[in-house]
Amino acid sequence: AQTVTQSQPEMSVQEAETVTLSCTYDTSESDYYLFWYKQPPSRQMILVIRQEAYKQQNATENRFSVNFQKAAKSFSLKISDSQLGDAAMYFCAYRRPGTASKLTFGTGTRLQVTL
Amino acid sequence: NAGVTQTPKFRILKIGQSMTLQCTQDMNHNYMYWYRQDPGMGLKLIYYSVGAGITDKGEVPNGYNVSRSTTEDFPLRLELAAPSQTSVYFCASRGTRLAEGSGGRYEQFFGPGTRLTVL
Repeated sequence: AQTVTQSQPEMSVQEAETVTLSCTYDTSESDYYLFWYKQPPSRQMILVIRQEAYKQQNATENRFSVNFQKAAKSFSLKISDSQLGDAAMYFCAYRRPGTASKLTFGTGTRLQVTL
Repeated sequence: NAGVTQTPKFRILKIGQSMTLQCTQDMNHNYMYWYRQDPGMGLKLIYYSVGAGITDKGEVPNGYNVSRSTTEDFPLRLELAAPSQTSVYFCASRGTRLAEGSGGRYEQFFGPGTRLTVL
């Protein structure tokens, strides 16, 4: 079974600075998808960024980018120019193609943004 | 589009009571999912459905039942509530390439969640 591990329960960053959230996963598959979801205090799950395993290029969405290391099974999220609105829980998730697109989530990292 | 809607937002149950959590999506998505999120944890899959009339168990199905009589609705039933079912419940849906109106977007869209407390 696939597992997703987020080893940082909490992180803190100053406004305008850069922070990196870590995620590792375990799979025997070669083709899969990885995601970062943001969960603000409202509890709404918001997709931040997605990475296809067959793509070598790291995904980028505005201030959010990933460092995808397939051989190391590592998928970290970098947030640049942090804003107060970035404060939230961040979940890393894994999905295999097929399998009805079921997601496996990590336990999350709580990000605090300070002035 | 309203997206994925869930009712109720909050509920307190006594041990042994039953209830149904409602989930509706208006995006014509074939796939629908129920997750639970315990405090300090990630989401775990309870049940899922790949289309009307088809449901299957996820990682933590015990104590729950689902049905999928229409594309839009995917209710989650708790028959005999237990304290271990205190959690936040999320419904999600996902389109497929062949689904009209999905716009080719294949990621899961989540509802706002239902906070359930069993005392």
